Amino acid sequence: DTAVSQTPKYLVTQMGNDKSIKCEQNLGHDTMYWYKQDSKKFLKIMFSYNNKELIINETVPNRFSPKSPDKAHLNLHINSLELGDSAVYFCASSLRDSVFGYTFGSGTRLTVV
Amino acid sequence: AQSVTQPDIHITVSEGASLELRCNYSYGATPYLFWYVQSPGQGLQLLLKYFSGDTLVQGIKGFEAEFKRSQSSFNLRKPSVHWSDAAEYFCAVGKIQGAQKLVFGQGTRLTINP
Repeated sequence: DTAVSQTPKYLVTQMGNDKSIKCEQNLGHDTMYWYKQDSKKFLKIMFSYNNKELIINETVPNRFSPKSPDKAHLNLHINSLELGDSAVYFCASSLRDSVFGYTFGSGTRLTVV
Repeated sequence: AQSVTQPDIHITVSEGASLELRCNYSYGATPYLFWYVQSPGQGLQLLLKYFSGDTLVQGIKGFEAEFKRSQSSFNLRKPSVHWSDAAEYFCAVGKIQGAQKLVFGQGTRLTINP
């Protein structure tokens, strides 16, 4: 019954590795987002997709590549991981033209060692 | 560009006491405003939202917030806190930029004393 689910919940990896985080929503929303929460709890938008089309792309290193195979899924692939990539990554979804806010997933804690 | 300031990084209140968390925003048009709560190890849950109409909005868990355009504020209140309210609280302002884009404040950590 989970509305927005992310996997994995925890990810520990070494510098230089490539990893992916997956997100799925069953709310019928047409827009999905990736946010990064740093160690000070600050939340910043990274990407947004609407019906598989990239519509928000903030200043994010091109080592980060989102992929949306359909409107219910949004994955985040990260190449050549760096120590500074350690953070909690949240997926969220909404209706595109809604003003009702997002539904968030429970987050993926990425630790790069 | 829109921005949000939550002046208090950490607030401690006693159980049963009243609570007010401050939020100030900067945005050129009529804002869409939100309060979210994040419990440890969890995602963010929407407490309440404002986008038009009555400036006093009611949310879940007994929370309310008041939009004051003249002060660019959207403060969150609760008349009597419970130990389970201990969490991180985020204010956010949204706009439509291709999609909803929410900009969050830096959060206020709420600790409840028994």
